[in-house]
Amino acid sequence: QQPVQSPQAVILREGEDAVINCSSSKALYSVHWYRQKHGEAPVFLMILLKGGEQKGHDKISASFNEKKQQSSLYLTASQLSYSGTYFCGTERMDSSYKLIFGSGTRLLVRP
Amino acid sequence: NAGVTQTPKFRVLKTGQSMTLLCAQDMNHEYMYWYRQDPGMGLRLIHYSVGEGTTAKGEVPDGYNVSRLKKQNFLLGLESAAPSQTSVYFCASSGGTWNLNQPQHFGDGTRLSIL
Repeated sequence: QQPVQSPQAVILREGEDAVINCSSSKALYSVHWYRQKHGEAPVFLMILLKGGEQKGHDKISASFNEKKQQSSLYLTASQLSYSGTYFCGTERMDSSYKLIFGSGTRLLVRP
Repeated sequence: NAGVTQTPKFRVLKTGQSMTLLCAQDMNHEYMYWYRQDPGMGLRLIHYSVGEGTTAKGEVPDGYNVSRLKKQNFLLGLESAAPSQTSVYFCASSGGTWNLNQPQHFGDGTRLSIL
């Protein structure tokens, strides 16, 4: 069962903020976030391993609510380079060592 | 440091032909994965391996076989190609001591068309 990502697509003006959500119906060990630009391979953003953990990288951060089996990716003061498709990958407790990816969130940042 | 290398980068096959995609990593990673990505879709796991000599089925394994005879290589085979297998195939590898506590590193992908 794939994790559910929302929204499916979002359009921003440069400098605006966005939140992308990832929800699983199963208990999770970890949540991974990747960004993919058109015609390229996915690129790693961050991993969240513990319940309630938050991580940040420049103006991109994420949280992981273990009890709710949900993760959110926060993009603040968006830049043109943030455009792309964002995928969450979940590692389930009943099926470890592999990621199941969501269907992605397409983000377009306009000048 | 090459990372994850996939060969070939492009291939066109006819229905019923067979082929093997090669994935090689130079990071001494234990875990390796094969995904397919259809246009506008997410990544779907075909097969994976948690160490040399091991393989396991992912979400969409039918029509594919894999082998991991050497730690650094993970091969994906299509025995009798079908048009439904037209896709972009990504290989990935990762390290980690328990569960997936390290990122997956992706190759550049193989674009496969089956006529």
